[in-house]
Amino acid sequence: DADVTQTPRNRITKTGKRIMLECSQTKGHDRMYWYRQDPGLGLRLIYYSFDVKDINKGEISDGYSVSRQAQAKFSLSLESAIPNQTALYFCATSEDTERDYTFGSGTRLTVV
Amino acid sequence: DAKTTQPPSMDCAEGRAANLPCNHSTISGNEYVYWYRQIHSQGPQYIIHGLKNNETNEMASLIITEDRKSSTLILPHATLRDTAVYYCIALTHAGGTSYGKLTFGQGTILTVHP
Repeated sequence: DADVTQTPRNRITKTGKRIMLECSQTKGHDRMYWYRQDPGLGLRLIYYSFDVKDINKGEISDGYSVSRQAQAKFSLSLESAIPNQTALYFCATSEDTERDYTFGSGTRLTVV
Repeated sequence: DAKTTQPPSMDCAEGRAANLPCNHSTISGNEYVYWYRQIHSQGPQYIIHGLKNNETNEMASLIITEDRKSSTLILPHATLRDTAVYYCIALTHAGGTSYGKLTFGQGTILTVHP
């Protein structure tokens, strides 16, 4: 089993719909992150969490929310999806201050 | 984070060593050199990192020049599965708002051919 599992792998949704992307990890790491990747723009940080009680906004949090249900689970929600949120979304974990993140396989989200 | 410069693409024959260069002339004393790679549309994969000394792990070796202005990632025996985009990044381990920020540049597209 993968260390960081993202579901779904692919999703097509309509504008205005609420959608949740889920991430679970078996690394035992406290720190978890959500990124989106757009062609030519690299990775951009949406939200990050250092433990269950800690949630922080990243570079592009508008239009997104997160929930850290447990140490192993960190979900990302789009409250009302819009087409420019079409992207590849990655969840990642890290153990401490080092930046050797473990990424999931990604969720390809298309908003039509 | 310091800017890094990498060649846009490189080729390597299978079984040979792949040497990927990176320039980071403005790197500061507390910035580490990190290498990641991304195989098409998969999640980025951490490879190795170092501060001053050369480093080696099961995936690769990292050679950092004494002045720290450049480094080379070495894949000792490249395979077809090493074909990917390789990113060199300068990152601190400090806290604050830089936590989690992971800015990939264009990277180097490494193509390993039979």
